[in-house]
Amino acid sequence: EADIYQTPRYLVIGTGKKITLECSQTMGHDKMYWYQQDPGMELHLIHYSYGVNSTEKGDLSSESTVSRIRTEHFPLTLESARPSHTSQYLCASTGNRESGELFFGEGSRLTVL
Amino acid sequence: GQNIDQPTEMTATEGAIVQINCTYQTSGFNGLFWYQQHAGEAPTFLSYNVLDGLEEKGRFSSFLSRSKGYSYLLLKELQMKDSASYLCAVKDSNYQLIWGAGTKLIIKP
Repeated sequence: EADIYQTPRYLVIGTGKKITLECSQTMGHDKMYWYQQDPGMELHLIHYSYGVNSTEKGDLSSESTVSRIRTEHFPLTLESARPSHTSQYLCASTGNRESGELFFGEGSRLTVL
Repeated sequence: GQNIDQPTEMTATEGAIVQINCTYQTSGFNGLFWYQQHAGEAPTFLSYNVLDGLEEKGRFSSFLSRSKGYSYLLLKELQMKDSASYLCAVKDSNYQLIWGAGTKLIIKP
């Protein structure tokens, strides 16, 4: 059973607001990821981290930032939300298995009005 | 560019067998994954193939041919709970995952 948690699960906010999506995992995984997924579409990598104080942008940074101060915590921040940010945001982590299978959180569904 | 192709939607009957195909063109190959995603939920890991051949895991099997850039997921003895989207993903030469858009599988009684 994967132990990776995201909050909030659902959020409706107005344009221009700053928001932080939280992601925590208790598996001691070094590698963590944020993905964005629209209905019926593929997952797009926003940011990833291979360990504490290490963060990289994916192919869709979407004007967001991340931090990795602790192994277990990988928050995603939108400084100024726009309607185009409306989407499902999925956090994932992986350990040291050869396959590198991802364990996903339950997702944060964001609606920007 | 890199791309993963899967059928958008498939329909099958409870108790039957269905094969979901995935073809890929990526810069390098370091493994192929299948994930299951129920509506409104997060993806969950089903299988991983890095060598050619068939990997069987209960009712689910996954096949890989690296020379053809092709994989399939085979689901046997279909159950209603198998109604979900099935995502194919390939790890490229940089060990980054390239995702397909998923195949929505509808199971009918």
